[in-house]
Amino acid sequence: AQKVTQAQTEISVVEKEDVTLDCVYETRDTTYYLFWYKQPPSGELVFLIRRNSFDEQNEISGRYSWNFQKSTSSFNFTITASQVVDSAVYFCALSDILGGGGSQGNLIFGKGTKLSVKP
Amino acid sequence: NAGVTQTPKFRVLKTGQSMTLLCAQDMNHEYMYWYRQDPGMGLRLIHYSVGEGTTAKGEVPDGYNVSRLKKQNFLLGLESAAPSQTSVYFCASSYALTGGPDTQYFGPGTRLTVL
Repeated sequence: AQKVTQAQTEISVVEKEDVTLDCVYETRDTTYYLFWYKQPPSGELVFLIRRNSFDEQNEISGRYSWNFQKSTSSFNFTITASQVVDSAVYFCALSDILGGGGSQGNLIFGKGTKLSVKP
Repeated sequence: NAGVTQTPKFRVLKTGQSMTLLCAQDMNHEYMYWYRQDPGMGLRLIHYSVGEGTTAKGEVPDGYNVSRLKKQNFLLGLESAAPSQTSVYFCASSYALTGGPDTQYFGPGTRLTVL
């Protein structure tokens, strides 16, 4: 069965510190997709990144970077030089595949990591 | 382009009452989903739809029904609300891709309290 584990329930850092949010997943599929979503205090879910299982290249977007390691089933998220606006709950999610043909599957979410960035 | 919208934003029900949550999307997405979010639990899939007129059960479907009569709308119904259904409900939608799952885009959520 698919599972996503975010072992860090809460993290607190001071502004400008770097912080890494861990995500470990379990799946028997050879093709799968991983996602990160951000949920700020206002409550909406904001899409950050989608990565497929065949692409292990790290990705950087501004202060955000993601490290995908298939060997350890991890998809970690790093925020460089954190800011107060980064305070949010961050969810890692894994997508299974509905039936055949690569159609959209169920998103399995981790329980989230609450990040607090203090000024 | 409003994206995914949900109605209402807040609702308080008494045990046994019924209600319908409406989700609408204007992105012409084929797939739509209903999730619930409970403290410390992440999001869990209730029901989903892969097209107009089709629905399927997710991880936690008991106590809920859904309908997808129009492509842009996905309704979630509670026939007899229970306190255990107090939660924040999120609707999401996505395209259907042949190469793999597409990104799901979420609505703002509906906070439901059942007394």
